[in-house]
Amino acid sequence: EDQVTQSPEALRLQEGESSSLNCSYTVSGLRGLFWYRQDPGKGPEFLFTLYSAGEEKEKERLKATLTKKESFLHITAPKPEDSATYLCAAFNQAGTALIFGKGTTLSVSS
Amino acid sequence: DAMVIQNPRYQVTQFGKPVTLSCSQTLNHNVMYWYQQKSSQAPKLLFHYYDKDFNNEADTPDNFQSRRPNTSFCFLDIRSPGLGDAAMYLCAISPDRGNQPQHFGDGTRLSIL
Repeated sequence: EDQVTQSPEALRLQEGESSSLNCSYTVSGLRGLFWYRQDPGKGPEFLFTLYSAGEEKEKERLKATLTKKESFLHITAPKPEDSATYLCAAFNQAGTALIFGKGTTLSVSS
Repeated sequence: DAMVIQNPRYQVTQFGKPVTLSCSQTLNHNVMYWYQQKSSQAPKLLFHYYDKDFNNEADTPDNFQSRRPNTSFCFLDIRSPGLGDAAMYLCAISPDRGNQPQHFGDGTRLSIL
C-alpha cells in the first residue's frame, strides 16, 4: 500500500536554530514528491515539487531534497513566521491521487 | 489574488440536513479536487473531476456527491451529514493529472449540530 510518513510530529525551535523535517515514502513508481505549508485555518500552500532522487529545490530559508526513499525539508535559521504545519505528499503510481503525510507542526520562538 | 475561492469559510448545519459547499477557480484548470481534512490529520481525497469526467475514490461514502456545472465551479453536496462529517473541506485545482502540483483554497470548516 502506498504510504507517506512524516517525522517528527511536532518540532520546537529557537529562532536561528536550523533543523530538518523528514518525509519517508513507499510509493511504487514515484511521479512527484510535494511539500506544502499549512497555516491554522488555511489551505495548504504549495512550496516545492521534486521528481527524481538527487534533486534539490530552495526558497528563502527552506531547502527540499529527495532520495529514493525519503525527502527532507531543511530549515536554515528559522524565524517565528516559519511556524506552520509542513505537509509532504506523493502521487500514487496511477497519478490520480496525492497521498499526504500527517505533517510536522513547526513552532519557532524568538 | 486567490486562485481557488471556497464559500462559505464556515458552515454550520444540523445532523441529517443536506449541505452544499462551493468552490470556484480563476485559472480554468482542467482538474478540480475535493479533500476532507479532520483535525491533526492528513487531507484525504474524496473525488476529482478531470474536465467533466468524475472520479470517485473507492472509500468515499455515498453520502458525498459532487457537481461541476462548468470549468470554473465545483460543488460538494453532503446529503445527510453525520457528526463524523465535521471537518475542513478543501478544494484544489491543477492544470492536469499526474505530476502537476495542486493549488488549494482556504477551505470550508463544516460543523454539525
